[in-house]
Amino acid sequence: SVLLYQKPNRDICQSGTSLKIQCVADSQVVSMFWYQQFQEQSLMLMATANEGSEATYESGFTKDKFPISRPNLTFSTLTVNNARPGDSSIYFCSSLHPNTEVFFGKGTRLTVV
Amino acid sequence: GDSVTQTEGQVTVSESKSLIINCTYSTTSIAYPNLFWYVRYPGEGLQLLLKVITAGQKGSSRGFEATYNKETTSFHLQKASVQESDSAVYYCALVPDTNAYKVIFGKGTHLHVLP
Repeated sequence: SVLLYQKPNRDICQSGTSLKIQCVADSQVVSMFWYQQFQEQSLMLMATANEGSEATYESGFTKDKFPISRPNLTFSTLTVNNARPGDSSIYFCSSLHPNTEVFFGKGTRLTVV
Repeated sequence: GDSVTQTEGQVTVSESKSLIINCTYSTTSIAYPNLFWYVRYPGEGLQLLLKVITAGQKGSSRGFEATYNKETTSFHLQKASVQESDSAVYYCALVPDTNAYKVIFGKGTHLHVLP
């Protein structure tokens, strides 16, 4: 299995500011992803974090709003730019194992005021 | 597109009673999807409860079981006798195509087990 550590666990930020969320894996993982979950809703895949290159974004998510970096096979960051109250949600990093098992971090609860 | 439907947002069951949490799926993939149940206990991250990758098979873990039914496109989660410690949020999920990376989640079902 893979352990994913996210920080911060939660944060409150002002509208218009930016927040960075870090995800560290305890072993090298090929595939790393970021999900967003609003309360009582499904987890939505935001993007695939690609090592050493630009992330691949799903419909509705852009690199300007949610830039993602992945400098190596154990680390990724998600930034929320120009945060708005509508961005308040939980953000999860995850990794996909070759056997299709998906592992998740504990999530970062973001509140934008 | 691909989707997972969990009809119950919240389920309350008394301890030692039986449980069923409904899950149906839809996929445009020509391949049979892989199906999963994930669970999030209070204060914890998401963790895999069970998975089934072959249609017609049953997966089981911690007393829970789910059968991959391709005829009804369902993957209901069942347990014969729940415990208070089973209180958590349960997510049904599918990977439509093992060559792809995308995991599609249901909205989750919050299970409350009464002592």
